[in-house]
Amino acid sequence: GDKVKQSPSALSLQEGTNSALRCNFSIAATTVQWFLQNPRGSLMNLFYLVPGTKENGRLKSAFDSKESYSTLHIRDAQLEDSGTYFCAAEAGQGGRALIFGTGTTVSVSP
Amino acid sequence: DPKIIQKPKYLVAVTGSEKILICEQYLGHNAMYWYRQSAKKPLEFMFSYSYQKLMDNQTASSRFQPQSSKKNHLDLQITALKPDDSATYFCASSQDRGKTEVFFGKGTRLTVV
Repeated sequence: GDKVKQSPSALSLQEGTNSALRCNFSIAATTVQWFLQNPRGSLMNLFYLVPGTKENGRLKSAFDSKESYSTLHIRDAQLEDSGTYFCAAEAGQGGRALIFGTGTTVSVSP
Repeated sequence: DPKIIQKPKYLVAVTGSEKILICEQYLGHNAMYWYRQSAKKPLEFMFSYSYQKLMDNQTASSRFQPQSSKKNHLDLQITALKPDDSATYFCASSQDRGKTEVFFGKGTRLTVV
């Protein structure tokens, strides 16, 4: 089954609204990264998290390793926030590959 | 300025042929990786290298062979290409293998006809 489940799979937002994306892990995730993949396919790093919370502008992310989930909050959505958001977890001892979630496709409209 | 350079950006290959995907990173990282993404699905891990040594291989097929001629290079040779190999191949790197942030190149989109 899916080791990293993302929800929702798709999200339509109006400019200026807020929303939250979530990843649930069935593996013992030790670190989490969030990426935004733009329509051209490039991956942009958003956050790198050991358990805890980080904020960058209108984005905020949290990772709770004990409860096995991570969240990404988008505040005041803008058109340029559109794309596919992936979370990716590293599990176990160091050196394990990133396991990617299924992605959330976000579409922001005026 | 892209710090992880992948060449070429796009590649069309004939079934049965062989291609090499190039990757160089200028971040001073010790670990490099290859991932594969098919049709906007999640990226799937293929290989990891640390200090030019293969550390993890999750690719079932021996048709995929990474090659590291320098610490900041990790090319991917694919032989006997099949249409199912069509995907975007991403190179990535991190300071060390494990528990450090991973950065990705822009990918090489391979189409096998």
